[in-house]
Amino acid sequence: RKEVEQDPGPFNVPEGATVAFNCTYSNSASQSFFWYRQDCRKEPKLLMSVYSSGNEDGRFTAQLNRASQYISLLIRDSKLSDSATYLCVVNMDPNTDKLIFGTGTRLQVFP
Amino acid sequence: GAGVSQSPSNKVTEKGKDVELRCDPISGHTALYWYRQSLGQGLEFLIYFQGNSAPDKSGLPSDRFSAERTGGSVSTLTIQRTQQEDSAVYLCASSFQPTGSYNEQFFGPGTRLTVL
Repeated sequence: RKEVEQDPGPFNVPEGATVAFNCTYSNSASQSFFWYRQDCRKEPKLLMSVYSSGNEDGRFTAQLNRASQYISLLIRDSKLSDSATYLCVVNMDPNTDKLIFGTGTRLQVFP
Repeated sequence: GAGVSQSPSNKVTEKGKDVELRCDPISGHTALYWYRQSLGQGLEFLIYFQGNSAPDKSGLPSDRFSAERTGGSVSTLTIQRTQQEDSAVYLCASSFQPTGSYNEQFFGPGTRLTVL
């Protein structure tokens, strides 16, 4: 079983749609969780951290379910510029910042 | 301010040759990471440097891979006797890492390595 698993997609959605991505992780001792965004042929960039209580940043909402070892990202009112690959990322070692990346979910927003 | 820089941006080499990839982290960042990303795959952790501590080499795929970080700043990833399966984008990241808190890793643009 992969340490971090995501549906690779692609998710093809029209502008204005709401889309949700899910991710599961294998290590119940994992401490920190993130969503990174990676544009084609570019480096990953932090989109948002994921907190136990859930958190929202504009059109983006992230949630964590520790019992089910499950993370989600919800994007409302999708924009063309949201087209990218979204990487689920987990820090499994509290003594380092070593990150484990999922393979990513590709989103394509069309007009 | 300047971000993480990597060189070269592209490297094409022949099977069996050695290559060196360079990373300049953000000034003042104490932690430096190397990852690689193969086509259609997620990022794979390779090695991690933090301050003067011994590096975490647990992700290096074979003894052909090595890395060093001189003076706590610039890092070089060396791949000896390259193989075709080494073809990937090699990404470097750095972070400012005070004890006990997670800090965002900032990635460089990567080096795209192609082994013929």
